[in-house]
Amino acid sequence: AQSVTQLDSQVPVFEEAPVELRCNYSSSVSVYLFWYVQYPNQGLQLLLKYLSGSTLVKGINGFEAEFNKSQTSFHLRKPSVHISDTAEYFCAVSGTGGFKTIFGAGTRLFVKA
Amino acid sequence: DSGVTQTPKHLITATGQRVTLRCSPRSGDLSVYWYQQSLDQGLQFLIQYYNGEERAKGNILERFSAQQFPDLHSELNLSSLELGDSALYFCASSPRAGGTHTDTQYFGPGTRLTVL
Repeated sequence: AQSVTQLDSQVPVFEEAPVELRCNYSSSVSVYLFWYVQYPNQGLQLLLKYLSGSTLVKGINGFEAEFNKSQTSFHLRKPSVHISDTAEYFCAVSGTGGFKTIFGAGTRLFVKA
Repeated sequence: DSGVTQTPKHLITATGQRVTLRCSPRSGDLSVYWYQQSLDQGLQFLIQYYNGEERAKGNILERFSAQQFPDLHSELNLSSLELGDSALYFCASSPRAGGTHTDTQYFGPGTRLTVL
């Protein structure tokens, strides 16, 4: 079985500062990893995904994430955030042999002016 | 706009009642997924349908059921409702049957269910 832990429930940050949202997973099998963003009153939107290959994955809106197998982590980063990045971010994992996706509890990113 | 539509947007009902949530996938998508998002449980996968057939099952209660129709829209039926069923219910669709590891899921705006 897989599980996902998002280490921070809330991350406040000033505009134009860098940010890292942390995600750790556990799994006994190979996994695929995802980051989704949920803006207020909207559904989830895929930011990026790691399936295989390069461990540095670039996504939309300037976000990137790095897969670290030894540390079982998939942290999300952005070098300079905007007010419009204020949202909830979900890390998710699915096993390569199955279709179920397990989501983390979410991290609320709050960008201050 | 993801192209996935869900109706109704809000639903308020009483304990013991039954409700039906509806989802229309993006044009051409064959898979539909249902999720429940609540404060205490977070976002949980309920069930997936592909081209009319059940494909994968998650933490779906026996009081809940779903189906996908020939026109590919899907309905989630929730019965004998309890206070704890109050949540946001999302539908997502994807082009193929492969699940999240082969194709992207597009989420609808959700239906907020309040059970009083």
